[in-house]
Amino acid sequence: RKEVEQDPGPFNVPEGATVAFNCTYSNSASQSFFWYRQDCRKEPKLLMSVYSSGNEDGRFTAQLNRASQYISLLIRDSKLSDSATYLCVVKAAGNKLTFGGGTRVLVKP
Amino acid sequence: NAGVMQNPRHLVRRRGQEARLRCSPMKGHSHVYWYRQLPEEGLKFMVYLQKENIIDESGMPKERFSAEFPKEGPSILRIQQVVRGDSAAYFCASSPGTSGFNEQFFGPGTRLTVL
Repeated sequence: RKEVEQDPGPFNVPEGATVAFNCTYSNSASQSFFWYRQDCRKEPKLLMSVYSSGNEDGRFTAQLNRASQYISLLIRDSKLSDSATYLCVVKAAGNKLTFGGGTRVLVKP
Repeated sequence: NAGVMQNPRHLVRRRGQEARLRCSPMKGHSHVYWYRQLPEEGLKFMVYLQKENIIDESGMPKERFSAEFPKEGPSILRIQQVVRGDSAAYFCASSPGTSGFNEQFFGPGTRLTVL
């Protein structure tokens, strides 16, 4: 079983719609959680850190469920520029990041 | 405030040659990490360094690969006697320390092609 699992997609989303997807992690000792986005094999860019109580940043909302060991990301009012691969990232002790395989999102007009 | 810098952006080597990849962290960051992304795969951790120290090299192959982060100058990832399977994107990231979320910020990567 992979340490961090994501549905690879693609999620085809009409412009303006809402899309949500999850990621599960296997290491119960994981301490910090992040969502990054990656465009066309360029460098990952930090989208948001995920707080225990959940957090929102503009159109993006992240939730953490420690009991079930999953993290979610919701994107409201999708823009064409939201098309990307979204990477679920988990950090246990020691600063090493473990990446999921990514969820591809395609926003279409 | 410049971001993480990596060079070269593209590197072509023939089998058996050496590859040297350089990474300069963001200003004020003292922690450097190297990750590798093979074609059609996710990013995998290789090594974590602070100035003059390797903290965690659990993801780095035992042979042919080495990394350093000297007191002065960039971090270097060195691959000796490259093979075709080393062809990948190598990303460097940096972070300020260890407290809190300690988010890591990535450089543009070096794309290594081994002929």
